[in-house]
Amino acid sequence: NAGVTQTPKFQVLKTGQSMTLQCAQDMNHEYMSWYRQDPGMGLRLIHYSVGAGITDQGEVPNGYNVSRSTTEDFPLRLLSAAPSQTSVYFCASSYSRPGRGGNQPQHFGDGTRLSIL
Amino acid sequence: GENVEQHPSTLSVQEGDSAVIKCTYSDSASNYFPWYKQELGKRPQLIIDIRSNVGEKKDQRIAVTLNKTAKHFSLHITETQPEDSAVYFCAAPNYGGSQGNLIFGKGTKLSVKP
Repeated sequence: NAGVTQTPKFQVLKTGQSMTLQCAQDMNHEYMSWYRQDPGMGLRLIHYSVGAGITDQGEVPNGYNVSRSTTEDFPLRLLSAAPSQTSVYFCASSYSRPGRGGNQPQHFGDGTRLSIL
Repeated sequence: GENVEQHPSTLSVQEGDSAVIKCTYSDSASNYFPWYKQELGKRPQLIIDIRSNVGEKKDQRIAVTLNKTAKHFSLHITETQPEDSAVYFCAAPNYGGSQGNLIFGKGTKLSVKP
């Protein structure tokens, strides 16, 4: 049982490049989410999914796309990288949305440290 | 939507002293309040959570209290140890905008001096 696995751990991109951050969980969790963490800003929700085929926007969705073709995987795509997207990205999962259905705790991955030059 | 404010942003205590971190929230419908600990370079990890039907929950040296009337909840760490040094985040669900997704406070950096 690996929990939540994120790849890569580190990445450097040039402005305008695109890339996909991978996230996979093996706990059969329905709810998955992506956060970005910037100094002094806490964790801000980018996109989330309540099940395969269902995604929605969070607080800061601009410049990012997601898809959920399987229960296990929830990739985050940067369409055209900008320096403002330099951040640490965390993927998290739980059985259900944290504020509904029994208040399930979220499990986080180790994060991807992304620098955009 | 939900707004979560966390204070203080930094906290320094001597080993053995107590530490208290306070969060306020705005959505009166919020009913779940987790606390996460993040060590330097690591993932956030849940350390304790409380649901709205109780006022206090304890787990060894840590406790969380909830005041629904005043819309605030606090993390209490007693007999602090150097390994308690980390950034602590509170969170509350947002029922207005994102329908139950967690909104996080900006974090408190706790330093425990030996």
